[in-house]
Amino acid sequence: DVKVTQSSRYLVKRTGEKVFLECVQDMDHENMFWYRQDPGLGLRLIYFSYDVKMKEKGDIPEGYSVSREKKERFSLILESASTNQTSMYLCASSNRVNQPQHFGDGTRLSIL
Amino acid sequence: GDSVTQMEGPVTLSEEAFLTINCTYTATGYPSLFWYVQYPGEGLQLLLKATKADDKGSNKGFEATYRKETTSFHLEKGSVQVSDSAVYFCALSDRQNAGNMLTFGGGTRLMVKP
Repeated sequence: DVKVTQSSRYLVKRTGEKVFLECVQDMDHENMFWYRQDPGLGLRLIYFSYDVKMKEKGDIPEGYSVSREKKERFSLILESASTNQTSMYLCASSNRVNQPQHFGDGTRLSIL
Repeated sequence: GDSVTQMEGPVTLSEEAFLTINCTYTATGYPSLFWYVQYPGEGLQLLLKATKADDKGSNKGFEATYRKETTSFHLEKGSVQVSDSAVYFCALSDRQNAGNMLTFGGGTRLMVKP
């Protein structure tokens, strides 16, 4: 089975901090994705990557950046955390051919 | 652009009732279709998929048939259990999308009462 592991289930940070959310997949997938999920807004794509060192903006990239130095790891960075970035963050991966994405368990991030 | 529309919830059923959650889509190409389930406090899990017209995906008693003529992929289960209470997401992947991005519906919350 595909395993997508997010480093934290719950995280509390303060406004202005630089926050790193880590995601690792063990299936040699080319594509990796970061979403945020908010009540009433569904899933929104922040960034995705289709190869090492490659990244593409999703629907809501403002205030975020990403890093993909190795194929199995995709990091989401909040450069200067703000309270409106309090949310559930979901990482996913998939291979290149038209296949489903596999999700991690999510990180519930609170910015105080 | 691509889009997925699901019936709004919450859907509240008694145990052993029949479930239908409607999903319709628009896509420029020939998409693959998926149903995901999200249990409270967890990430999304793939429930079932269908990759071409008339395919039927099935898993854990759930079924959905890819209907190209009606652009639909409705989720059904003959007898729901309390443990099926979750949020269900319909999604599509357009073959023309090289990055394998998914387009999600808004999700439908199912509540099953004993």
